[in-house]
Amino acid sequence: GIQVEQSPPDLILQEGANSTLRCNFSDSVNNLQWFHQNPWGQLINLFYIPSGTKQNGRLSATTVATERYSLLYISSSQTTDSGVYFCAVEGGSEKLVFGKGTKLTVNP
Amino acid sequence: DSGVTQTPKHLITATGQRVTLRCSPRSGDLSVYWYQQSLDQGLQFLIHYYNGEERAKGNILERFSAQQFPDLHSELNLSSLELGDSALYFCASSVGPRGALNIQYFGAGTRLSVL
Repeated sequence: GIQVEQSPPDLILQEGANSTLRCNFSDSVNNLQWFHQNPWGQLINLFYIPSGTKQNGRLSATTVATERYSLLYISSSQTTDSGVYFCAVEGGSEKLVFGKGTKLTVNP
Repeated sequence: DSGVTQTPKHLITATGQRVTLRCSPRSGDLSVYWYQQSLDQGLQFLIHYYNGEERAKGNILERFSAQQFPDLHSELNLSSLELGDSALYFCASSVGPRGALNIQYFGAGTRLSVL
């Protein structure tokens, strides 16, 4: 089945810094979503982005489908950005396959 | 609020017992997915129902079963519970099973502790 790798596994930032999270996937995808799992465990949708670029406030994402990777950019990070960021992809199997996530810690 | 409702939020039970987790999808969504999140396995897909019918199975144990009812809510039944079943169980829903229809929204999860 499709494989998803996220990097880095851990990231520690000072408030105000920018960061880039990467997601590589092994096959073509119909669906790619980025999620933020907050410290209370809730999974929050950030982007649906199987290709192209989207922006939502301080967050933006780019997926280059032909090269099988997606990037999530966080600018001017805040402590509330802390948590785990997951990339999940759907190949031909109609299920989302999740990467292991990037754990982000933003210190004040 | 994602619009997906899961109950209960927490469940503490003993080995060998049986529990039922409930999920109400977002209004208008026909697909319901169940996932298990444990520390060592990450987020694992268990099972997918679409409009009342089982659509796909993932790494779901034989001790686990699920169904989707005519009103589209779903239940996940876990029986003969073992310590290793302790995990966070998520339900997600989407309009349909594939591509742009399959933007999944997650409930808050049920945290199961088996003692």
